[in-house]
Amino acid sequence: EAEVAQSPRYKITEKSQAVAFWCDPISGHATLYWYRQILGQGPELLVQFQDESVVDDSQLPKDRFSAERLKGVDSTLKIQPAELGDSAMYLCASSLAGAFTEAFFGQGTRLTVV
Amino acid sequence: QQPVQSPQAVILREGEDAVINCSSSKALYSVHWYRQKHGEAPVFLMILLKGGEQKGHDKISASFNEKKQQSSLYLTASQLSYSGTYFCGTHAYSGAGSYQLTFGKGTKLSVIP
Repeated sequence: EAEVAQSPRYKITEKSQAVAFWCDPISGHATLYWYRQILGQGPELLVQFQDESVVDDSQLPKDRFSAERLKGVDSTLKIQPAELGDSAMYLCASSLAGAFTEAFFGQGTRLTVV
Repeated sequence: QQPVQSPQAVILREGEDAVINCSSSKALYSVHWYRQKHGEAPVFLMILLKGGEQKGHDKISASFNEKKQQSSLYLTASQLSYSGTYFCGTHAYSGAGSYQLTFGKGTKLSVIP
């Protein structure tokens, strides 16, 4: 069964360091989402791609976060510099396209900033 | 805009029923329901696309009232495996031809023997 792949599963980094997360969506899925989930809360949308284009990054803290999906397939989310408040689960999800298809999540990357 | 879920938490004994509600202030194009176990990724349960649509999966079903911009998830004869946090996700038009998938804060369901 096709899955959304994310790596690494866990990451511990020191404050002010750079950190990057990788996501490989289900083959053929044009829409890719990055979410941040703080323990006990719902996933918060950071950025949404349609193919290689960003269609929504209104909640992305652009002074330190960046995201790219160069060839419209896999994607990278970067934080530089990391802050203590960035500790969270970072989830990637993908769907075929639009509002009428289900989105599937990867296993996530658990980030701890120390 | 984030959908609102209620209740925030519920405790059930095995075999009891529960209803989780989800509402939005924006016009909705679809409603998604997910269940998340502690430390794991959310798992897709079902998607509702049309007003009035109802779907079922085992003993879990859902309805979507498009006019009221509300959806409800029904868990019947709950099992221990139903424990987890349930999230509704709503697709709303965010402009420039794109639809934003936004999640509520979740409802924590605990099923006890």
